[in-house]
Amino acid sequence: AQSVSQHNHHVILSEAASLELGCNYSYGGTVNLFWYVQYPGQHLQLLLKYFSGDPLVKGIKGFEAEFIKSKFSFNLRKPSVQWSDTAEYFCAVRSGGSYIPTFGRGTSLIVHP
Amino acid sequence: DTEVTQTPKHLVMGMTNKKSLKCEQHMGHRAMYWYKQKAKKPPELMFVYSYEKLSINESVPSRFSPECPNSSLLNLHLHALQPEDSALYLCASSQVSGSGTGELFFGEGSRLTVL
Repeated sequence: AQSVSQHNHHVILSEAASLELGCNYSYGGTVNLFWYVQYPGQHLQLLLKYFSGDPLVKGIKGFEAEFIKSKFSFNLRKPSVQWSDTAEYFCAVRSGGSYIPTFGRGTSLIVHP
Repeated sequence: DTEVTQTPKHLVMGMTNKKSLKCEQHMGHRAMYWYKQKAKKPPELMFVYSYEKLSINESVPSRFSPECPNSSLLNLHLHALQPEDSALYLCASSQVSGSGTGELFFGEGSRLTVL
């Protein structure tokens, strides 16, 4: 079964700092990769996704992620965070022909103004 | 705003009550999901309907009973819940096959409190 690891459980940054959140998965075949964000009191929404093609994908609000197949990774990055980026971030992976994604445990990001 | 609509947004119920959560989507998605989410935790899959048929039940207690009346609607019937069932219940939808984008679209959730 697929497993998804998010090693950074809690991240605290100051505004303008750079961000990188790790995501690793276990399945070695074809995968679809997602990052979801959940702002305080709001629903889960898609930040970005990778299906095929360019392994560097750009999402909303200045986020990007890079798929590195050899490392089974899909890390999320943002060069300069803002206070409004404070949220929970979830990596999800869909694999093995299933349409149902597996979620990582999430990373709680707090950005201090 | 999300294209998946859930009602009610908040629900408080006693352990002997019967209530229902409702979810609606009009994106033509043929897979619909119920998730349970505790604070600062990932969503836990409960049920999946594919083409209006229950395809996955993640060993959910029988006090939760899903129903998919048609391709746009998904209900979760609640009966004799326990306080530990208090959580945010999320509905989601997606396309079923590998064609298309395949991501989940989530509703805003129904926050359930069991007294």
